[in-house]
Amino acid sequence: EADIYQTPRYLVIGTGKKITLECSQTMGHDKMYWYQQDPGMELHLIHYSYGVNSTEKGDLSSESTVSRIRTEHFPLTLESARPSHTSQYLCASSLGASGRGSETQYFGPGTRLLVL
Amino acid sequence: RKEVEQDPGPFNVPEGATVAFNCTYSNSASQSFFWYRQDCRKEPKLLMSVYSSGNEDGRFTAQLNRASQYISLLIRDSKLSDSATYLCVVNNQGGKLIFGQGTELSVKP
Repeated sequence: EADIYQTPRYLVIGTGKKITLECSQTMGHDKMYWYQQDPGMELHLIHYSYGVNSTEKGDLSSESTVSRIRTEHFPLTLESARPSHTSQYLCASSLGASGRGSETQYFGPGTRLLVL
Repeated sequence: RKEVEQDPGPFNVPEGATVAFNCTYSNSASQSFFWYRQDCRKEPKLLMSVYSSGNEDGRFTAQLNRASQYISLLIRDSKLSDSATYLCVVNNQGGKLIFGQGTELSVKP
């Protein structure tokens, strides 16, 4: 089992609230990722980080922001939640070094967000 | 055209059947390939990595054809517990993984 954790697992919140989704891994992985996935649809990369103080936007535009102050922690923040943000948010990490297995991504259990 | 395309599902098969999923990718420079499994309302989990022409793990066999930019996953002797969505995943030159939309498998008694 991968040692990557996400909290909260479920969140129901009103429009306009600020929220932070937490993601932590204890595997010492350099690379971390945030994906957004709607039911029955594919995963879309919204943010990634290749190490401390490194953050990049993914392929799907998102109003969320991320930070990477510590290797093990990669929180995602929405300053003002809207119903269009309702989705599942999945965090993942990978080793980041070169060589076989280094690109394999391990996923956390996800956060299901419902914005009313 | 999507970077990774998979067979549309769902596949409904009886227990014990052999089922094959196909996947094509558009980036000829891709070097790493994976099959992930995702159960309903759960996170994706790695099923197999495919680094050469293919590999086998028990009832699961993955094959890679670089010339045709094609990956397949074969499941033999299907079990009820194999019911899930199978994701074809390919790396791009930027080091990111591109996920296909997934193929749903339902194994019936």
